Amino acid sequence: AQTVTQSQPEMSVQEAETVTLSCTYDTSESDYYLFWYKQPPSRQMILVIRQEAYKQQNATENRFSVNFQKAAKSFSLKISDSQLGDAAMYFCAYRSYSSNFGNEKLTFGTGTRLTIIP
Amino acid sequence: KAGVTQTPRYLIKTRGQQVTLSCSPISGHRSVSWYQQTPGQGLQFLFEYFSETQRNKGNFPGRFSGRQFSNSRSEMNVSTLELGDSALYLCASTFVRQGQESNQPQHFGDGTRLSIL
Repeated sequence: AQTVTQSQPEMSVQEAETVTLSCTYDTSESDYYLFWYKQPPSRQMILVIRQEAYKQQNATENRFSVNFQKAAKSFSLKISDSQLGDAAMYFCAYRSYSSNFGNEKLTFGTGTRLTIIP
Repeated sequence: KAGVTQTPRYLIKTRGQQVTLSCSPISGHRSVSWYQQTPGQGLQFLFEYFSETQRNKGNFPGRFSGRQFSNSRSEMNVSTLELGDSALYLCASTFVRQGQESNQPQHFGDGTRLSIL
């Protein structure tokens, strides 16, 4: 079974600064997907960024980028130019690749609560 | 395009009762997954439905069940409610083609907050 670990329960960053959230995972699979989701107090889980394991290039979405280290099983999220609206709970998630049957199950980490200091 | 819709948003029940939660996926999405979120256990996968069939199931007791209708809408049922069932229940939908690998992300609803008294 796969596991996802987020070792930072809480993080804080000054507005406009850069912050990195850590995530490690354990799997014996070679093909899989990794995601970062944010959950603001409004509760809705919102996709931030995703990475396919077969892609060596790190994914980037505007101010959000990842550092994907497949051998180390590490998947950190970097938020540049932090904004007040970035304050939320951030979850790292893993999904297996399954070409025959399909598998939408996400395995989540415990989350990191990010606070933005004005 | 409308997002994933979950009803109701809040629900209060007592121990021993049963409850049914509803989820309407994004139009065109045929895969619906359910998750339970609690402060102690975090986010845990309950089950996934695709084309009215349960494809995956998490490690939850048989009191938790679900189904999917031909229009892809899904319901989740919990019988004989226990205090520990108090949680936020999240539904997510994904665009998936039959027999093909999906590289699409899941889109979540706002959840149903279930409180057991």
